[in-house]
Amino acid sequence: QQQVKQSPQSLIVQKGGISIINCAYENTAFDYFPWYQQFPGKGPALLIAIRPDVSEKKEGRFTISFNKSAKQFSLHIMDSQPGDSATYFCAASIPHRLAFGKGNQVVVIP
Amino acid sequence: DVKVTQSSRYLVKRTGEKVFLECVQDMDHENMFWYRQDPGLGLRLIYFSYDVKMKEKGDIPEGYSVSREKKERFSLILESASTNQTSMYLCASSLEQGLNTGELFFGEGSRLTVL
Repeated sequence: QQQVKQSPQSLIVQKGGISIINCAYENTAFDYFPWYQQFPGKGPALLIAIRPDVSEKKEGRFTISFNKSAKQFSLHIMDSQPGDSATYFCAASIPHRLAFGKGNQVVVIP
Repeated sequence: DVKVTQSSRYLVKRTGEKVFLECVQDMDHENMFWYRQDPGLGLRLIYFSYDVKMKEKGDIPEGYSVSREKKERFSLILESASTNQTSMYLCASSLEQGLNTGELFFGEGSRLTVL
């Protein structure tokens, strides 16, 4: 059972464009929503995270938008750069458990 | 910086062999996890441990076992490797803070091929 559904599966963006990845969840007990970034040959690393009591969080070029009523959240990468090319995983957590989406490969072309 | 070290980056084993994947973290984290990563399936939790000698099944524990004898070390064991266990295995740790922050620190992965 996929607890967190992520779309699209892959994304190609021009340098300077906006990358948008969407995630949806069902379990209203989830209380923390992180995004992880993974480069080839490396393990995932925390990029940015949000709690359901806020609707948006921004860190540099990365923004999470959160819609609690729709049970959806999304990652926006502004001014996308070739160095942002990676696989992005959304996740949702309750104590001791973190459910991941299937991942989204983002390719930023110069 | 938190460091999670997986002892083997690449392994090739034969069907039926016993396989040990070792993971060590250096930040005194309570929680440790083993995930499996496959294309199109994302990260799936095999087992986790929130204390020494404690273990809990994740979403896909079949065919695997784990051992946590020391706080810093968490081992994944494949008792009898099968070809469908060919995968990338990721170890992670996190600090217990009462409420789960969801922040996991991952190792670089162990790519296992079972022939």
